[in-house]
Amino acid sequence: DARVTQTPRHKVTEMGQEVTMRCQPILGHNTVFWYRQTMMQGLELLAYFRNRAPLDDSGMPKDRFSAEMPDATLATLKIQPSEPRDSAVYFCASGLVSARALETQYFGPGTRLLVL
Amino acid sequence: QKEVEQDPGPLSVPEGAIVSLNCTYSNSAFQYFMWYRQYSRKGPELLMYTYSSGNKEDGRFTAQVDKSSKYISLFIRDSQPSDSATYLCAMSAVNTNAGKSTFGDGTTLTVKP
Repeated sequence: DARVTQTPRHKVTEMGQEVTMRCQPILGHNTVFWYRQTMMQGLELLAYFRNRAPLDDSGMPKDRFSAEMPDATLATLKIQPSEPRDSAVYFCASGLVSARALETQYFGPGTRLLVL
Repeated sequence: QKEVEQDPGPLSVPEGAIVSLNCTYSNSAFQYFMWYRQYSRKGPELLMYTYSSGNKEDGRFTAQVDKSSKYISLFIRDSQPSDSATYLCAMSAVNTNAGKSTFGDGTTLTVKP
């Protein structure tokens, strides 16, 4: 049963520390998304990749967030330095995009981040 | 104003009731319409998706899209306590950013035994 995996599942850190979240998309999917979910803002798209190339990272605070996809099996989201307002659940999702649109998007279990 | 509006609820119904969940949107370019279910402390999972207007049925779930009104609905028949979750609508346009979905904020549903 193919699924998106994310590590770590939980992270507690202090303000100013670097946080790295990792995602393994489903094999064969060509699109990877990073989302952030909070009670106040709901599900926000931070960035996404197509065939490992960044397509859109306009939802990401550029000064402290960075997203990369070093190979087809790994996507990373880094926060440096972290701030308390970054506390949220971060989801990775992957999908297979056809010529017309994304038809399905599979989410990982999320990384719960708490910045003290 | 958000591109996709969804009543956050919460919505509480007795077991067996018919549930209606709705979203409105403003972007006429949206062509794909999805419903995701998210259980507490889990990631969203795709429940149903439809392309353009019309209805789609899957077991107890029916998705409706009315593009003329920019309104989509998800109906749950014979609701069960296991349907208790947050339901998010999502929409995607057919364009160069194909694949990027815009999500509603979700409606929290509780089905009481």
